[in-house]
Amino acid sequence: AQTVTQSQPEMSVQEAETVTLSCTYDTSENNYYLFWYKQPPSRQMILVIRQEAYKQQNATENRFSVNFQKAAKSFSLKISDSQLGDTAMYFCAAADYNYGQNFVFGPGTRLSVLP
Amino acid sequence: GAGVSQSPSNKVTEKGKDVELRCDPISGHTALYWYRQSLGQGLEFLIYFQGNSAPDKSGLPSDRFSAERTGGSVSTLTIQRTQQEDSAVYLCASSPSTGTSGYEQYFGPGTRLTVT
Repeated sequence: AQTVTQSQPEMSVQEAETVTLSCTYDTSENNYYLFWYKQPPSRQMILVIRQEAYKQQNATENRFSVNFQKAAKSFSLKISDSQLGDTAMYFCAAADYNYGQNFVFGPGTRLSVLP
Repeated sequence: GAGVSQSPSNKVTEKGKDVELRCDPISGHTALYWYRQSLGQGLEFLIYFQGNSAPDKSGLPSDRFSAERTGGSVSTLTIQRTQQEDSAVYLCASSPSTGTSGYEQYFGPGTRLTVT
């Protein structure tokens, strides 16, 4: 079974600065997906970025990028030029490539962007 | 296109009553998940449906909880004899399970259940 760990329960960053959220996971599978989800105070969960494990290139979506270290089973999220609207809970998740029910979320990191 | 919808958005019920929570997934999505989220906490997996396969009920916390998915589309989560500890936000998500999106989940807005 997969496990996902987020070691930072809370973080804060000044507006316009860069912040990195950590995530580590454990899986015995060779093929899997990794995700970062954002849940703002409005509570709607939104996908931020996804990474296929077989791809070596780190995924990037505008101000959001990941540092995927497969050997270390690490999947950190970097937010550049932080904006007030980035204030939210961020959840890291992992899913088996072949078995969709094995979709595991981490406990979340609460990020506050300060003006 | 339309996203995942859930109803009601808020539900207040008295302890001991039964409640039904509804989820309308994105059309064509074969996978459907239910999660429970207590205030400020992470996601607790409840149940997973995939096509016509038997659901994975391993996350249901007690036999008071049940769920069904009719015609591979709409799903209903039922909580019988509600208890105060059932108070939480119940989130539904659907996934295409195939294609380039893989197992990306699309979430509904949730139902906030309050048991008084």
